[in-house]
Amino acid sequence: DTAVSQTPKYLVTQMGNDKSIKCEQNLGHDTMYWYKQDSKKFLKIMFSYNNKELIINETVPNRFSPKSPDKAHLNLHINSLELGDSAVYFCASSQVGGGFSYEQYFGPGTRLTVT
Amino acid sequence: RKEVEQDPGPFNVPEGATVAFNCTYSNSASQSFFWYRQDCRKEPKLLMSVYSSGNEDGRFTAQLNRASQYISLLIRDSKLSDSATYLCVVNKAAGNKLTFGGGTRVLVKP
Repeated sequence: DTAVSQTPKYLVTQMGNDKSIKCEQNLGHDTMYWYKQDSKKFLKIMFSYNNKELIINETVPNRFSPKSPDKAHLNLHINSLELGDSAVYFCASSQVGGGFSYEQYFGPGTRLTVT
Repeated sequence: RKEVEQDPGPFNVPEGATVAFNCTYSNSASQSFFWYRQDCRKEPKLLMSVYSSGNEDGRFTAQLNRASQYISLLIRDSKLSDSATYLCVVNKAAGNKLTFGGGTRVLVKP
């Protein structure tokens, strides 16, 4: 059984379009994340939700809007796609508590190409 | 100064040799430290957590030096399958926001 799954795996689209990426985890974790990994391979956190509540919101353009319908799902909607949005987007999940960081489990990634 | 810095490599390592590399972090309040492994075009996966006293997992040894603010990873008896990018990961403070280094690429060759 896949622990963290993302769809689609590949997404090719034109500038100006709106697209969504979906993520689901079956690990029973309360916290989910979206990361962006650019062409230089730096992995940067974008958002984090804890039990459907937004807890981390990095400096990300307003065109990116996360939504968590329940604690097992976290979706990412991107409006007006730009060339610079081309990257691999990873969803992750973890448990939380005790003031420490726990292992984050990553999905397989969504490779977004904007043309 | 970047929050988490790593030598990008690549470290070219003969099979069976030992390789070690460090990662420096800027926030002295950081509490949790990890090494993740990322294979080409794959997701990052936890290799090991790094504890204050240092810890070992098979051929892998991780050390933490709080005074100098760095962590290290040593791989003994390198295998071809150890070829990957190793990501140093640090939490900014109490909580679950992790900061990833840019990764150190290791290539193990026959």
